[in-house]
Amino acid sequence: NAGVTQTPKFQVLKTGQSMTLQCAQDMNHNSMYWYRQDPGMGLRLIYYSASEGTTDKGEVPNGYNVSRLNKREFSLRLESAAPSQTSVYFCASSNRGRQPQHFGDGTRLSIL
Amino acid sequence: TQLLEQSPQFLSIQEGENLTVYCNSSSVFSSLQWYRQEPGEGPVLLVTVVTGGEVKKLKRLTFQFGDARKDSSLHITAAQPGDTGLYLCAGINSGGSNYKLTFGKGTLLTVNP
Repeated sequence: NAGVTQTPKFQVLKTGQSMTLQCAQDMNHNSMYWYRQDPGMGLRLIYYSASEGTTDKGEVPNGYNVSRLNKREFSLRLESAAPSQTSVYFCASSNRGRQPQHFGDGTRLSIL
Repeated sequence: TQLLEQSPQFLSIQEGENLTVYCNSSSVFSSLQWYRQEPGEGPVLLVTVVTGGEVKKLKRLTFQFGDARKDSSLHITAAQPGDTGLYLCAGINSGGSNYKLTFGKGTLLTVNP
């Protein structure tokens, strides 16, 4: 029962470096999401993909790009990492309607 | 922007006590979900409420959706250490073809043995 798998689980970067966070789901869900979670701020939506081939900005998209590679995979890229992007990043997936969003276990990213 | 305010932000109680956490908004949501998140893991759905005034029970947890679909509460009876975690409410706005969640900031519950 893999569900939503995120890689890597931990990463430390230097300011200005780039990296891609990977996310894959095996539940045949149409929609996928990237959130960041910061202390006292809750979960904030960065980007989402309602279906394969589409992506849209969420609440805090600046400094990030996304790619919906296929129905299973949705990646998040930081082109030039900044300390303000230190956070825990969660990927989630769901089908339309009131079904739950299924979350991965997160990527803990520190930018020095 | 739709906002969800959760209260209290932190709650520390003894095993066996009862507690209620609240989720309030000035906006109407088509439905609302409650999630629990444990350290090092992603949130896991507990319940979805969809009808104004709806009450759902999950063992010792009782969830209620306000009549106007702007607020919700979670009541835990006889709390146990296993209930410890971050409780998040999330409102669903089904406008258009997307179902995006708006999350509250969460209530961090600690149940001491």
